[in-house]
Amino acid sequence: DTGVSQDPRHKITKRGQNVTFRCDPISEHNRLYWYRQTLGQGPEFLTYFQNEAQLEKSRLLSDRFSAERPKGSFSTLEIQRTEQGDSAMYLCASRSTDRAGDYGYTFGSGTRLTVV
Amino acid sequence: GQQVMQIPQYQHVQEGEDFTTYCNSSTTLSNIQWYKQRPGGHPVFLIQLVKSGEVKKQKRLTFQFGEAKKNSSLHITATQTTDVGTYFCAGLDDYKLSFGAGTTVTVRA
Repeated sequence: DTGVSQDPRHKITKRGQNVTFRCDPISEHNRLYWYRQTLGQGPEFLTYFQNEAQLEKSRLLSDRFSAERPKGSFSTLEIQRTEQGDSAMYLCASRSTDRAGDYGYTFGSGTRLTVV
Repeated sequence: GQQVMQIPQYQHVQEGEDFTTYCNSSTTLSNIQWYKQRPGGHPVFLIQLVKSGEVKKQKRLTFQFGEAKKNSSLHITATQTTDVGTYFCAGLDDYKLSFGAGTTVTVRA
């Protein structure tokens, strides 16, 4: 299967703890995105990478959030000092800009974070 | 940044009936994409519309992009139970997608 993989699927953490999520995109996709989704809402943009370069970060994202894509392959999203408001589904998506045709995102199954 | 609004938020449909969901943007869109998210699942890409007035069909689904490229619609004919889920439109804004809140569809058998 060459889809987008995310790990872990679920994470329960205590408030104040740090958490890290991993995303493995489709190998030939050069763009990688992180989104956050809460119940009843559409995915909300967090940040994206073109290869290893982080090109944009949402102004809504606090300094507690950081993302990396060190070799232009997998990516990690870290949340420091988690708060209850961070509870959400964190979605990773990838796409290629190198081919013609539709440019739909391929989403992973997400990591559901619960902060207690 | 752009905002994408979807109506209705919920759509309860009798199996076999048709329905339409609408997407409106505060700004002109370079393109618009539609996704479907099944309950407990993740968004899955359905289609992209680029040209003003463009109409695309996928079996029982018809997607349309407005002439002014500020609105779009998804029309489903002869609704089936497999159509259950949330349908999102998303506008491309400076290389990233901005999603609407979605239309959640339930089907009465």
